[in-house]
Amino acid sequence: GENVEQHPSTLSVQEGDSAVIKCTYSDSASNYFPWYKQELGKGPQLIIDIRSNVGEKKDQRIAVTLNKTAKHFSLHITETQPEDSAVYFCAASTGTGGFKTIFGAGTRLFVKA
Amino acid sequence: DVKVTQSSRYLVKRTGEKVFLECVQDMDHENMFWYRQDPGLGLRLIYFSYDVKMKEKGDIPEGYSVSREKKERFSLILESASTNQTSMYLCATDDLLASGTQYFGPGTRLLVL
Repeated sequence: GENVEQHPSTLSVQEGDSAVIKCTYSDSASNYFPWYKQELGKGPQLIIDIRSNVGEKKDQRIAVTLNKTAKHFSLHITETQPEDSAVYFCAASTGTGGFKTIFGAGTRLFVKA
Repeated sequence: DVKVTQSSRYLVKRTGEKVFLECVQDMDHENMFWYRQDPGLGLRLIYFSYDVKMKEKGDIPEGYSVSREKKERFSLILESASTNQTSMYLCATDDLLASGTQYFGPGTRLLVL
């Protein structure tokens, strides 16, 4: 079946360093790629997303890149802060309504002060 | 802001009990979802509903059923709880017109003894 692979499963960085999380998807019909952040005791929340007609998107310290040919997309967090510590999920969706959204397994990010 | 609430944050049940998990959203979204979250496996879709009284099986529906009698409420039912259903359960909603972004509740951590 279709799947999304996410790496690494755990990432530890020093405060101020950059963090990169990578995902690969299998369904070539996927055209929407959201990233969610899940803090302790909370549900996942959308932090940034990208659509298949765009190669890169940036929002302050967070950026996402998409390579449709290779079916890769990545999350980049610059100047990491302790409050960035959380579990991050990538996802790939084939369209509106989220009916077919497949999530990666998650990356636990630790930012050491 | 979309608000998705779940009836319980923590539940402890015994094997064989019938368990009800309730989810309520206040944004008039058509789509609602139930996921199960397990370490290393990410979020797996149990059931979703795109309208009142409509439901569709997700990837892991076995042992679960759902009910959607009102647009704002989506219930997950474990007919006879088993220990392998110990997990975090997340409810989510999705605005059909917002192209796949999902809004999650805080989750219910269920322990089946």
